[in-house]
Amino acid sequence: DAGVIQSPRHEVTEMGQEVTLRCKPISGHNSLFWYRQTMMRGLELLIYFNNNVPIDDSGMPEDRFSAKMPNASFSTLKIQPSEPRDSAVYFCASSFGSGDSPLHFGNGTRLTVT
Amino acid sequence: KQEVTQIPAALSVPEGENLVLNCSFTDSAIYNLQWFRQDPGKGLTSLLLIQSSQREQTSGRLNASLDKSSGRSTLYIAASQPGDSATYLCAAQTGANNLFFGTGTRLTVIP
Repeated sequence: DAGVIQSPRHEVTEMGQEVTLRCKPISGHNSLFWYRQTMMRGLELLIYFNNNVPIDDSGMPEDRFSAKMPNASFSTLKIQPSEPRDSAVYFCASSFGSGDSPLHFGNGTRLTVT
Repeated sequence: KQEVTQIPAALSVPEGENLVLNCSFTDSAIYNLQWFRQDPGKGLTSLLLIQSSQREQTSGRLNASLDKSSGRSTLYIAASQPGDSATYLCAAQTGANNLFFGTGTRLTVIP
């Protein structure tokens, strides 16, 4: 089991550019989550999918953020246009079931917007 | 909205000592309480999950307890080792897949 795989590990971009973060959940897991971690705000849930369907996107900061899950093995989080305040570590996590099993996290993407 | 607090923010102990990390939450209507470990530059690793109907869970040198009525959980680490140095986060789940995280306790075990 390779775990949750995220790419890239690091992304440095200029303000105004489009950023796409990628995630491959653990095979067989039916829930996928995108989190953002900053020193100031800790871990914040951005969006989660169940069976590839977005269930709750109330944590998405604004319209510049969008997420997709075209199939059970792939998800993307896109920021367009990016801003310096988007700089953070973005984590993807997956789990099986409806909430009684632990989350498995990827190693994150460290995003820096200059 | 559920608020999760962890105190202290940082803790240093000599190797071999037993220690307790604290977690409190404001809404006692939780689904479960989870403890995670985060190493620098890494994601979170699940350590223990306590269902709302349970009082504690154990895994090796780790023991987590849950008191829903008082809104508290503790993580007990026995005979601490330098390899236990990491940030420990607790998270309260208040609905299907709605997990609220604390800001963590950074533990340093001194050899």
